[in-house]
Amino acid sequence: GQSLEQPSEVTAVEGAIVQINCTYQTSGFYGLSWYQQHDGGAPTFLSYNALDGLEETGRFSSFLSRSDSYGYLLLQELQMKDSASYFCAVRSLTGGGNKLTFGTGTQLKVEL
Amino acid sequence: KAGVTQTPRYLIKTRGQQVTLSCSPISGHRSVSWYQQTPGQGLQFLFEYFSETQRNKGNFPGRFSGRQFSNSRSEMNVSTLELGDSALYLCASSPRADRNQETQYFGPGTRLLVL
Repeated sequence: GQSLEQPSEVTAVEGAIVQINCTYQTSGFYGLSWYQQHDGGAPTFLSYNALDGLEETGRFSSFLSRSDSYGYLLLQELQMKDSASYFCAVRSLTGGGNKLTFGTGTQLKVEL
Repeated sequence: KAGVTQTPRYLIKTRGQQVTLSCSPISGHRSVSWYQQTPGQGLQFLFEYFSETQRNKGNFPGRFSGRQFSNSRSEMNVSTLELGDSALYLCASSPRADRNQETQYFGPGTRLLVL
């Protein structure tokens, strides 16, 4: 089956940089995505890595190493509004088709 | 462009009843996926539909079913509700259903409480 591991909670101060790691086990790997979810809200797409390396989108960057089955989300210049849960998700070929499997989420708390 | 809409937003049912949830994807999106979110299990994949065909199914019992209509709108049904079915049910749409379907746009969800 598929499994993803990420830290349950991370705390950082405003203006700092934080890295949220994700390790996965899956077969037929297609790519690693990251989603943000605020309390009471819906998940919103942040980034996707299909190939090894770093993808940068504004203050957010995401990295993938397929050989290590590892990725991370890097958030720079943290703002209070970044306090949310962050999920890594793997799209993989499994069974009769492909599906998106989510990690259990990392709750990020940004403090003053 | 309007986002993904889900109805109803909140629902209270009792054990043994059945429930139907509705999802309207973003205009032009042909792929719809459903997820169940609970504090204990996180986000779990239910089904994926594309052009009225179920392309993939998660590890849920047969009480959970779904369908997609020709206008891409989708419904999911849960029969013989159990207390453990209490959850936030999220629908997500995407322009296409292939290996590069990395961007899913989520609706606000339907929060179901089973008493």
